[in-house]
Amino acid sequence: NAGVTQTPKFQVLKTGQSMTLQCAQDMNHEYMSWYRQDPGMGLRLIHYSVGAGITDQGEVPNGYNVSRSTTVDFPLRLLSAAPSQTSVYFCASGVSQENTEAFFGQGTRLTVV
Amino acid sequence: DAKTTQPPSMDCAEGRAANLPCNHSTISGNEYVYWYRQIHSQGPQYIIHGLKNNETNEMASLIITEDRKSSTLILPHATLRDTAVYYCIVSRARAGGTSYGKLTFGQGTILTVHP
Repeated sequence: NAGVTQTPKFQVLKTGQSMTLQCAQDMNHEYMSWYRQDPGMGLRLIHYSVGAGITDQGEVPNGYNVSRSTTVDFPLRLLSAAPSQTSVYFCASGVSQENTEAFFGQGTRLTVV
Repeated sequence: DAKTTQPPSMDCAEGRAANLPCNHSTISGNEYVYWYRQIHSQGPQYIIHGLKNNETNEMASLIITEDRKSSTLILPHATLRDTAVYYCIVSRARAGGTSYGKLTFGQGTILTVHP
């Protein structure tokens, strides 16, 4: 049981390039989300999904797109990378019920130069 | 969701209990108190959560005051591997509601366990 798997672990992009961060979970969770963590800061919610076909914006959605075509995958797309998007990105999943916890991936460290 | 206040850092000797406080004076009746920790830039790890009553699991105990305005996470016998950033989060978790899972992370408490 792998849990939440994020790829790649590290990525360097040039300003203006686009890319997709991958996230997959094998726990049949309805809920998935993306956070970013800047140095010395807590995590901030980018986008989330409560089920296949349903997505919504979090606290810092600008510059990112998401889609949820299956329950398993929740990719995060950077449309035109900027140095301000240099961060560590975490994907999380959980069940859509009360009183339960979220499971996090190990993160993708992204540097935009 | 209610805001939380935690001390920026704490120290603890290995083998002793670590008691991490959290203030959440604006918590509302349907909000849970969650604790997560993050070890050296890994993904956050769930520890424990509670609504009103004290809770205990294999990792920790959670003590919530009667008025629910503050709580304490207790690691009963801290080890060096418990050195991490500990986040106290207050969150609504309504079944089927879009507020589920919107965890608002503050800066947490850096716990350093020393030999």
